[in-house]
Amino acid sequence: DVVMTQSPLSLSVTLGQPASISCRSSQSLVSSDGNTYLIWFQQRPGQSPRRLIYKVSNRDSEVPDRFSGSGSGTDFTLKISRVEAEDVGVYYCMQGTHWPRTFGQGTKLEIK
Amino acid sequence: QVQLVESGGSVVQPGRSLRLSCAVSGFTFSSYGMHWVRQAPGKGLEWVALIWHDGSNKYYADSVKGRFAIFRDNSKNTLSLQMNSLRAEDTAIYYCARGLAGVDVWGQGTTVTVSS
Repeated sequence: DVVMTQSPLSLSVTLGQPASISCRSSQSLVSSDGNTYLIWFQQRPGQSPRRLIYKVSNRDSEVPDRFSGSGSGTDFTLKISRVEAEDVGVYYCMQGTHWPRTFGQGTKLEIK
Repeated sequence: QVQLVESGGSVVQPGRSLRLSCAVSGFTFSSYGMHWVRQAPGKGLEWVALIWHDGSNKYYADSVKGRFAIFRDNSKNTLSLQMNSLRAEDTAIYYCARGLAGVDVWGQGTTVTVSS
């Protein structure tokens, strides 16, 4: 199985400051169709997960542009340019290239 | 709008069976693969199973293989998860989610508690 390793597992950020979460996969996530199926989700307290980013760097509609995704192969990053109070929650990466699908452990973001 | 509504969660004894359902609306169900993903209390997300848009292929996590079965009824816009031989470690919120290579839309989840 592809292991997805996130770091850090927790993050305490001052409002208005940037945040960065790393996600590393144990195998390349480049699919045979040329796409890289790396997805980022946000899960706010008490809510279902919500997709933020798909195929590494494509932001979903209605997701603020302070969220961005980057990376390639096995190394990926989610960045929040200026953290706001509504960004509190847990962030997960997921790979959709290999079977079984796998998630990272999650990174808990809190406000300092 | 796109909606996924899970149901069927309950408290069940170890070794018993339970069937979860997910009713979808707002999109062409028969065009999309569908997942079940679970989340144990206070834990992260765990992928459980996926079924292709036409039901022709199914994939399972090793932790549920041989005990759980995913299926769908495209005429009724319904996704199901048959869970047999339930264990305490199956206790979780179970989410249905749309997608194949990834997931884009999630339901609100239904809670399964396996306890004697």
